[in-house]
Amino acid sequence: GAVVSQHPSWVICKSGTSVKIECRSLDFQATTMFWYRQFPKQSLMLMATSNEGSKATYEQGVEKDKFLINHASLTLSTLTVTSAHPEDSSFYICSARPGGTGLDTEAFFGQGTRLTVV
Amino acid sequence: AQTVTQSQPEMSVQEAETVTLSCTYDTSESDYYLFWYKQPPSRQMILVIRQEAYKQQNATENRFSVNFQKAAKSFSLKISDSQLGDAAMYFCAYRSAWLDDMRFGAGTRLTVKP
Repeated sequence: GAVVSQHPSWVICKSGTSVKIECRSLDFQATTMFWYRQFPKQSLMLMATSNEGSKATYEQGVEKDKFLINHASLTLSTLTVTSAHPEDSSFYICSARPGGTGLDTEAFFGQGTRLTVV
Repeated sequence: AQTVTQSQPEMSVQEAETVTLSCTYDTSESDYYLFWYKQPPSRQMILVIRQEAYKQQNATENRFSVNFQKAAKSFSLKISDSQLGDAAMYFCAYRSAWLDDMRFGAGTRLTVKP
């Protein structure tokens, strides 16, 4: 199957700083990428849908100024957590669906990034 | 909005036995896709099986099969001949045929006893 790579796998940052998480589709072009957040022992909650060349669509309750998403190319989307606070500590997962295909094509998941804000 | 419900937070099965994980969903749409994902301790999401709503035949992938009841909005996963490597969190997911996002259930933690 197709490969989606997230970087870094884990990161620790100080409160008040910003951290960027990258999501790359390694062997396909992704016009659409998705960002999820997963709290411990909980499910994946969709944060936003990232479309190449346009603004991301955020789910209700997700602060767009807090979680900046940039999908600058067909293989890269980034999530920047700005002015991070301990409550932002979580597991963040991206997924990507190959572009040019129908919605029946499955999306592929990255391995996730564990963010700890101290 | 579509919702996905997994009513079993935890399940346990003896190695080589069969276990069924339950999932129900709520939607007013007629075209959609249903998925079961496995999330082992590594946290990597792995697609186990998918079902297109327009197909009446239940999907099967080796030891994994589903019981898709469209009218009842039920989508259970059966794991046959359970193996130790099957131990993981299992998430049921729904995706509309018209929208590109995916909604997940709360998950079921499966333990496989040797």
